[in-house]
Amino acid sequence: GAVVSQHPSRVICKSGTSVKIECRSLDFQATTMFWYRQFPKQSLMLMATSNEGSKATYEQGVEKDKFLINHASLTLSTLTVTSAHPEDSSFYICSARDARKKLSNQPQHFGDGTRLSIL
Amino acid sequence: AQKITQTQPGMFVQEKEAVTLDCTYDTSDQSYGLFWYKQPSSGEMIFLIYQGSYDEQNATEGRYSLNFQKARKSANLVISASQLGDSAMYFCAMGGTDSWGKLQFGAGTQVVVTP
Repeated sequence: GAVVSQHPSRVICKSGTSVKIECRSLDFQATTMFWYRQFPKQSLMLMATSNEGSKATYEQGVEKDKFLINHASLTLSTLTVTSAHPEDSSFYICSARDARKKLSNQPQHFGDGTRLSIL
Repeated sequence: AQKITQTQPGMFVQEKEAVTLDCTYDTSDQSYGLFWYKQPSSGEMIFLIYQGSYDEQNATEGRYSLNFQKARKSANLVISASQLGDSAMYFCAMGGTDSWGKLQFGAGTQVVVTP
């Protein structure tokens, strides 16, 4: 079963709306979560690293004021797309690493993604 | 900086045949991990196989095997006995142990399995 839950799976909303996407680790604690963005027929691009209890680390070129990340607990990170516009339409996917496991033993677990469409 | 290259944008393969998906990488890290993920049209990322940079044996997971050639910096995925359900996008990814879970993805290869 899914170990990372991402919600909602699909959002359609008007331009100017702010949209919040949740990423929850279901059966493990995740001090670190990652947010990726994927345009159609393209690869996943890392947007930011979400750190529990501290500020997120954004990749170069990602606007931190546009994409607000909050990692308030060990099982929940949220990505808020503020004042979304059509160019923000994309597939957003999160992943969470189980803090108990080494990279070599267990990959991070991905959520099922959120398809965001801004009209 | 890390870089992952997948040069095959798309491939057709006949059912029950084997297919090799190419992946080359570049990194200055001594310790790193290489991953392959499958992404069907529904969008979820399905973990297939992992290879550590210090692993001496090539990784295998069921019908998936990883042909790891460290000197050539390649980590090709071999899918044996292809099934119609294998039709999907396949991504090669790399993670350094210092970045602890942060992955760099290749461009992906679209595989279509035909009857």
